[in-house]
Formats: sequence, structure tokens, C-alpha cells
Amino acid sequence: NAGVTQTPKFQVLKTGQSMTLQCAQDMNHEYMSWYRQDPGMGLRLIHYSVGAGITDQGEVPNGYNVSRSTTEDFPLRLLSAAPSQTSVYFCASSQGHRYGYTFGSGTRLTVV
Amino acid sequence: GENVEQHPSTLSVQEGDSAVIKCTYSDSASNYFPWYKQELGKRPQLIIDIRSNVGEKKDQRIAVTLNKTAKHFSLHITETQPEDSAVYFCAASSGGSQGNLIFGKGTKLSVKP
Repeated sequence: NAGVTQTPKFQVLKTGQSMTLQCAQDMNHEYMSWYRQDPGMGLRLIHYSVGAGITDQGEVPNGYNVSRSTTEDFPLRLLSAAPSQTSVYFCASSQGHRYGYTFGSGTRLTVV
Repeated sequence: GENVEQHPSTLSVQEGDSAVIKCTYSDSASNYFPWYKQELGKRPQLIIDIRSNVGEKKDQRIAVTLNKTAKHFSLHITETQPEDSAVYFCAASSGGSQGNLIFGKGTKLSVKP
């Protein structure tokens, strides 16, 4: 099993550009989430999904969109990148809400 | 929504000493409390977790305790080693069927040889 795979690992965007961060898992997990990690702020939940076709907002959803058309994939879209979105983004998946999350290796995004 | 507070933000101990990290949560419906360890430049990794029907859980040198009445839970590391140096995060999961795992801000643990 590859676990949780995130691409790309690094990305530099210009303000106003759009892009999609990819996340895929091969563990047949129902739950998937996106977090951003900033120094001193811990891991903040952006969006999460409890199954294909079901998504919900987390703590910091503004500026991000998600969709979940399959169990395996949970892409995160930045529609118009801003410098405040410079961060490390982690995707994670879990069997259910009372089980631990497995994290991907992260995407380091810089918006200039 | 859920709010998780974690203390201290930094902790320095001598090798062989014990380390304790404490967290409080706000949502009384929360029923799952994992702890993650993150080494520099790496992804967070689950080290131990506890569910709301259990008061304490132990795994070798690490243990977690949960007080649901007071809404706090703690991580205890005994006989610390330099390789325990990392950032530790606590988290709490909302009740029901939500996949909403909220993290504390983290504790940077340094173990001095």
C-alpha cells in the first residue's frame, strides 16, 4: 500500500493564480481531510469528507474548494491564490471518526 | 465547534526524566483523543490514542490519561530519550459521525543528553 499520496511536494504560485493539490489514498478509508500547518498555529482543518459525495467545512475553509467524487481522491483547489495561503498542506485519511488519521507527506506552497 | 488548548508550548527535559503534556477540549460530545508526533520536516504520525470509554492507556514508555468530567487529557512520556525530541500534537474528534479532528497548537519537546 502506498498510503496517502500528495502531489506536488513543492509549489510556487503567483498571487491570483489557481491550482489543485492532489491527494489519493489506497486504504479504502471513508474519511479524508485537508489541514494547513503554519508556525505556531498547529494543524488547522480546512475541509473534510466522510465519504464520496460528502464534504464539509473545517476551521479555515475560506479560499479553498474541495470535492469527493471517489473514495480514493480528495483534491484541494485554490481558486485565486493569496500570500496568506503560503503554508504546508497535509492530506489525511482514516477509517472513521474514532480512528487515527494517516497523513500524506505534505505540499509546501509559497504564494508570491 | 471544538476548541483544543495545549500546554506547554515548549518543554525541555534531561534524558531519563519524564515529560507531561496537557490538553483541554471544549466539546463535551468529543469521544476520541489521539496524539501525534512530528519530527522536523516530516509528517505527523499517530503515537497513541484513547477513546471516551477509557480513562488511561499505556504503550511502553508512553501513556495517555483522560478526564471526561474536566474535559482534559494528558500525554506522559517516561524515561525520555533524545529521539523523543519532536513536536507533539493532541487532537479531539467531535462526536457523532463527523470526521472533524481538531488539533492543539503543539508542544516542542527537547530531550537533552
